[in-house]
Parts: sequence; structure tokens; C-alpha cells
Amino acid sequence: GDSVTQMEGPVTLSEEAFLTINCTYTATGYPSLFWYVQYPGEGLQLLLKATKADDKGSNKGFEATYRKETTSFHLEKGSVQVSDSAVYFCALSGIQGAQKLVFGQGTRLTINP
Amino acid sequence: SQTIHQWPATLVQPVGSPLSLECTVEGTSNPNLYWYRQAAGRGLQLLFYSVGIGQISSEVPQNLSASRPQDRQFILSSKKLLLSDSGFYLCAWSVRGETQYFGPGTRLLVL
Repeated sequence: GDSVTQMEGPVTLSEEAFLTINCTYTATGYPSLFWYVQYPGEGLQLLLKATKADDKGSNKGFEATYRKETTSFHLEKGSVQVSDSAVYFCALSGIQGAQKLVFGQGTRLTINP
Repeated sequence: SQTIHQWPATLVQPVGSPLSLECTVEGTSNPNLYWYRQAAGRGLQLLFYSVGIGQISSEVPQNLSASRPQDRQFILSSKKLLLSDSGFYLCAWSVRGETQYFGPGTRLLVL
């Protein structure tokens, strides 16, 4: 079945460092791909998405490119801030109809000043 | 614009007591609705989803049930809570697309 694998956390960086969180997927067909962010004590917020191969999603300085050849959707940011500390989830659209999402296990990111 | 509400925000319940968590969506019609659970330090587990009133699909066998009495209302229930039911419960909605939008969540602690 469809699945998403994220790099294991936690990830700890200093402010202004470069961030990469790896995400790879296994899916039949051509799913859409998503990154969600969860700040402490809150629900999930959509960070960015891409719906077809070679699409680049971007938001708040974060970017991810849908790479069909490597089945990847890695999240990147050039210069992180303390306020980026959160848990990040990669997800793909799964079975049609109910439009279910398949989530990765999440990566906890901590940015130190 | 669309908004999603969940209540209560926090709940502490004894083992064996009943549970009712409510989720409502505003500003849209005929949404798909979802219940997820997030155990401490873990990922999200899809519990139930619904594509219409009275239509509920269960993803995992468990102590919980869901109902959709109205188009924009989704309720998660239990007759008798277990310790393992503790967690963070998230409701989400989507309409005709794949993007799901999440509510603020309910934190449940079963003692």
C-alpha cells in the first residue's frame, strides 16, 4: 500500500542554519504531496503542497519539489528561525473517493537561538 | 471563509466513563470529515472518515465510534474509555480536493 517515510528526528539546528527534512514515498499512480506543520499544542497546518511531478511548493521560506524519479519531496529552508520549531509531517493523497491522506511519522525540529 | 471547531479543548476522564467529542465546520457544504488520533510523540492515526451524512468508515477496530448527524457535524464517541484512549484528537475536513484542513484538536487524558 501507499506509504511515507520521513527522516527520523529530533532535528536540532542553530538559528539561520540550512534545513533539510527528507521525505520519500511509495504510491500507486500519481499522488499529490503535502507538508504539514504542527506547533506545540496545536492542530496541523498546511505548509505547502505539490500536485504533479516537478512542481515546487513554497510557503514562509520553505520549499519542496515533487521528484517522481526519486519518489521524494524533501522540505528545505535556507535560514531557519526559532519560530520554525515544530513537528513537520509529510503526507500523500491516497485512495481516491474519500481522499484519504497517508502521513509520515513526523519530524520534530528545534531551533536554538 | 471556512473554519473548523472542536470542543472541548481539553478533557480529563476516568477509565470506564463515556466520551463525546464534537467537530463542526463552517463555510462549506458536503465536506469529507475525518477523525485522527495522535498519541504522545507519535504520528497521526486515521480513525474514521465520512463522505456524507450517516456515512462512516472505520479505519481501525477499537473502542471508539463516530457519527455524522448533520452535514457539517462529526462526533467521536465511546461508551467506556480505556487508558489507551488518551491522546490528541484531531478533526479535519476537505472538499473536492485532496487538501485536508485541521481543527485545533482535543487533548484527552484518561486516568
